[in-house]
Amino acid sequence: DIQMTQSPSSVSASVGDRVTITCRASQGLGNWLAWYQQKPGKAPNLLIYLASSLQSGVPSRFSGSGSGTDFTLTISSLQPEDFATYYCQQGENFPLTFGQGTRLEIK
Amino acid sequence: EVQLVDSGGNLVQPGGSLRLSCTASGFTFSTSWMAWVRQAPGKGLEWVATIKQDGSETYYVDSVKGRFTISRDSAKNSLLLQMNSLRAEDTAVYYCAKIWYNSFNFWGQGTMVVVSS
Repeated sequence: DIQMTQSPSSVSASVGDRVTITCRASQGLGNWLAWYQQKPGKAPNLLIYLASSLQSGVPSRFSGSGSGTDFTLTISSLQPEDFATYYCQQGENFPLTFGQGTRLEIK
Repeated sequence: EVQLVDSGGNLVQPGGSLRLSCTASGFTFSTSWMAWVRQAPGKGLEWVATIKQDGSETYYVDSVKGRFTISRDSAKNSLLLQMNSLRAEDTAVYYCAKIWYNSFNFWGQGTMVVVSS
């Protein structure tokens, strides 16, 4: 199984900050990597697919990069509604696996 | 507008069975791969199962193989998850999700399954 490791596990930041979350895979994924945002009590929301493609309706302050085993999600200027938990997910092969999550908190 | 409505969650005893349903609308269900993803209380996301458009291929996480069965009824635009031999560790919110480039682009609201005596 492909193991997905996110870092950091949690981060505190302020509105307007630039934040980067990383995700490392235990083997190469090509670009089969997605990022999700989840708020408490809600279903996850797809932000990025194929490592860098912005899902329709997602603000352009979100961006993804990387290929192979190392990927990043960047939020260019944090907004109040961005404080949530973020997950990466590999789609290279079954079983599909998620990272453990990164909790983004208000400083 | 794409909508996925999950239902069927309940409190069930260990060893029991439960059938989850997901009713889809707003997209062509018959041409979409679909999946179930779960989230235990306070934990992260875990993919459970995936089914091909025509139901000819199914995939499962090892922990549910032989106990869970994913299926679909395209006439009713429904995705199903039959869960047998339930264990305490199956306690979670279960989400159905539409697959898009091996990611999940639309999600149901989730249905809670609690396995406890």
